[in-house]
Amino acid sequence: NAGVMQNPRHLVRRRGQEARLRCSPMKGHSHVYWYRQLPEEGLKFMVYLQKENIIDESGMPKERFSAEFPKEGPSILRIQQVVRGDSAAYFCASSPGRGNTDTQYFGPGTRLTVL
Amino acid sequence: SQKIEQNSEALNIQEGKTATLTCNYTNYSPAYLQWYRQDPGRGPVFLLLIRENEKEKRKERLKVTFDTTLKQSLFHITASQPADSATYLCALASTSGTYKYIFGTGTRLKVLA
Repeated sequence: NAGVMQNPRHLVRRRGQEARLRCSPMKGHSHVYWYRQLPEEGLKFMVYLQKENIIDESGMPKERFSAEFPKEGPSILRIQQVVRGDSAAYFCASSPGRGNTDTQYFGPGTRLTVL
Repeated sequence: SQKIEQNSEALNIQEGKTATLTCNYTNYSPAYLQWYRQDPGRGPVFLLLIRENEKEKRKERLKVTFDTTLKQSLFHITASQPADSATYLCALASTSGTYKYIFGTGTRLKVLA
């Protein structure tokens, strides 16, 4: 069974460019979560999605960031006009349900570097 | 504001000893607490979940306690091995239907052979 897949693993962008991060959940999982991790900081929740629906985006900056989880294909986290402060590791997690006790399975992360 | 504190300093222990990691929280009443392991360059891996009405949970060499009075969780690894060296994260969630676990910054454990 393949785990959560994320690509690319490393992404380098110049200021002002767009970054697209992809996440394929585990087979059978329809709930996807995105987190950001800065050096020496904890994981910060960004957004929770189900297929074709954004359930909670309260942790995502209002500007330049967007997320989607289409009916077919991976979930996408999109960052427009990146700035140096966007440099971080972005993790995607998936779960079969949305209960508090549903384990979230994390992918390996995408490390974004903004030059 | 809600705050989770884990010892930011690395913990070095000798192989075979018991490692004890601490997770303290303030301004929060979590109903669920999870512990994760994270290796460098990898995503967190779920280890254990404990509910607020549970005092202790065990899984093989791992033991977690949850004291809602002290607002603290302790994570123990008995008979530690060098392969246990990693960063350990605690994460808390409330009962309000939330899946939004709040994560601590983690404690780095190094088990010396």
